[in-house]
Amino acid sequence: EAQVTQNPRYLITVTGKKLTVTCSQNMNHEYMSWYRQDPGLGLRQIYYSMNVEVTDKGDVPEGYKVSRKEKRNFPLILESPSPNQTSLYFCASSGAYGYTFGSGTRLTVV
Amino acid sequence: AQKITQTQPGMFVQEKEAVTLDCTYDTSDPSYGLFWYKQPSSGEMIFLIYQGSYDQQNATEGRYSLNFQKARKSANLVISASQLGDSAMYFCAMREGFANDYKLSFGAGTTVTVRA
Repeated sequence: EAQVTQNPRYLITVTGKKLTVTCSQNMNHEYMSWYRQDPGLGLRQIYYSMNVEVTDKGDVPEGYKVSRKEKRNFPLILESPSPNQTSLYFCASSGAYGYTFGSGTRLTVV
Repeated sequence: AQKITQTQPGMFVQEKEAVTLDCTYDTSDPSYGLFWYKQPSSGEMIFLIYQGSYDQQNATEGRYSLNFQKARKSANLVISASQLGDSAMYFCAMREGFANDYKLSFGAGTTVTVRA
């Protein structure tokens, strides 16, 4: 089954404690991206990757890092999380038939 | 400037009635695509329907149809015969260009509540 797998689904952490949200896709897609969803703002792109070792900033990249060492994986790294990064995060990959989203990660930073 | 505007934060609809969700967009690219997604309370994003800028016919998928008015830059979603399971958040989104590697720009979303 074609899918994007994100982990964890839920995460509560404390300010400043580094965390990584993993994302993996099995569709051999080149393009992957991360979005965050906030009430009243919809989904906004954080980072995207056109292919292995090719990443670039989206609309709201501050406070985030990504890496793309393998085609299937695109982890999101928060090196020093802050409460304003409390949000719902989605990983997505896109191919000829459109976007496939992961199930989302609800992150709370206290 | 906002690329996608959804002006209805929330709507109530009676079961079995139709509901129209508004979406207007802004782009200068002649090639673009418009999407609607459903997000139930569980949080996942479910693709509903797609309309390309060069498509001559309005898109339809089961009970979902897209009222595409290109000159007005609007892409309203119509859900016919609403069901309780249609209660969810709905997002309109746009991509500019037709390549596989593209960014989706989303609206703020509309919450639909279906009443029995």
